[in-house]
Amino acid sequence: NAGVMQNPRHLVRRRGQEARLRCSPMKGHSHVYWYRQLPEEGLKFMVYLQKENIIDESGMPKERFSAEFPKEGPSILRIQQVVRGDSAAYFCASSTGGLPYEQYFGPGTRLTVT
Amino acid sequence: KQEVTQIPAALSVPEGENLVLNCSFTDSAIYNLQWFRQDPGKGLTSLLLIQSSQREQTSGRLNASLDKSSGRSTLYIAASQPGDSATYLCAVVGETSGSRLTFGEGTQLTVNP
Repeated sequence: NAGVMQNPRHLVRRRGQEARLRCSPMKGHSHVYWYRQLPEEGLKFMVYLQKENIIDESGMPKERFSAEFPKEGPSILRIQQVVRGDSAAYFCASSTGGLPYEQYFGPGTRLTVT
Repeated sequence: KQEVTQIPAALSVPEGENLVLNCSFTDSAIYNLQWFRQDPGKGLTSLLLIQSSQREQTSGRLNASLDKSSGRSTLYIAASQPGDSATYLCAVVGETSGSRLTFGEGTQLTVNP
């Protein structure tokens, strides 16, 4: 039973390019969360999605960031026109969506913007 | 707004010592509290989850306790080993915050051989 999978593990983008981060949840999980860990900072919630629905995007920056979780395929976190401040580790977690809301994390994608 | 604080920020101990990591949270209305381990450049490994109705959970040399009313949790590590060196993160799911996790800043543990 594979765990949460994220790819790519490392991504380098030049300023102004687009970054696409992918997350496949654990088998049987239909709820996905994205968190960001900036250098020397703690993990911060970004967005919570169910299949085809955004449940909570209160942690997402208002511009350039978007997320989706289609009926088929992985969840995608998309960052348009990346800037140096977007350099961080982006983690995806999945859960069944029910109590006790235990979340299982993927290995993360480390984004470096040059 | 829920805030999670972990003390100390860093801890260095000799191998074999028993140690305690502390976590406090400002809003006691939580569904659960999770302790994670994060190795440098790696993802998060879930260590223990305590539901709001529980007082403690144990796994091997690890024991986590929860005092929901006072907003505190402790992670006890017995007979520490160099392989325990990592950053330990505490996170809560609040009753008013959907099911998202609110993390503390972590305690960076070094166990010296």
